[in-house]
Amino acid sequence: QQQVKQSPQSLIVQKGGISIINCAYENTAFDYFPWYQQFPGKGPALLIAIRPDVSEKKEGRFTISFNKSAKQFSLHIMDSQPGDSATYFCAASTRGETSGSRLTFGEGTQLTVNP
Amino acid sequence: DGGITQSPKYLFRKEGQNVTLSCEQNLNHDAMYWYRQDPGQGLRLIYYSQIVNDFQKGDIAEGYSVSREKKESFPLTVTSAQKNPTAFYLCASSSPDRTYEQYFGPGTRLTVT
Repeated sequence: QQQVKQSPQSLIVQKGGISIINCAYENTAFDYFPWYQQFPGKGPALLIAIRPDVSEKKEGRFTISFNKSAKQFSLHIMDSQPGDSATYFCAASTRGETSGSRLTFGEGTQLTVNP
Repeated sequence: DGGITQSPKYLFRKEGQNVTLSCEQNLNHDAMYWYRQDPGQGLRLIYYSQIVNDFQKGDIAEGYSVSREKKESFPLTVTSAQKNPTAFYLCASSSPDRTYEQYFGPGTRLTVT
């Protein structure tokens, strides 16, 4: 079964600190690794995504680090702000021959940034 | 204003009743998805559709049904066979070649008592 494992389940960081969320996967057929951000009562929104042939991608304060050999990837939020408080999901996409393309999500990390 | 709409935001039903959740998109996306979200379990895929008149079961399709008669619409029916239907349901869409970039609706919170 395709799975993506995410940790920690919850994270508390002080304003200005670095938030780090980790994910691990098994299926080497995954072809894209996005991160989504979800605020309470809202749908998730794409934050940043990386391909498996790239080791790092940075967009503003958000960076994905990707380790293909270890089958792990992580999200780093630099200079964390109270407005970053949300639930973060890692995910991985596959393209099936007969079943089409889909995303598999991790369990989510609830991030709280204290002022 | 492009996006995905889900209605209603809150839905209450009695046990044993079927209920249909609406999902409409005006992003001209071919692919649409239904997810169920429960605390601590992430988003689990119920059904997805890559094109009109075609759809596939996701990981937790039992007790649910869908139709895809129009590109813009992908309604989800929660049947009385679903053992634990109370949850937050999310609809999403994407271009088929950019599955990683899904656009989500605001969700429908279904409570069955």
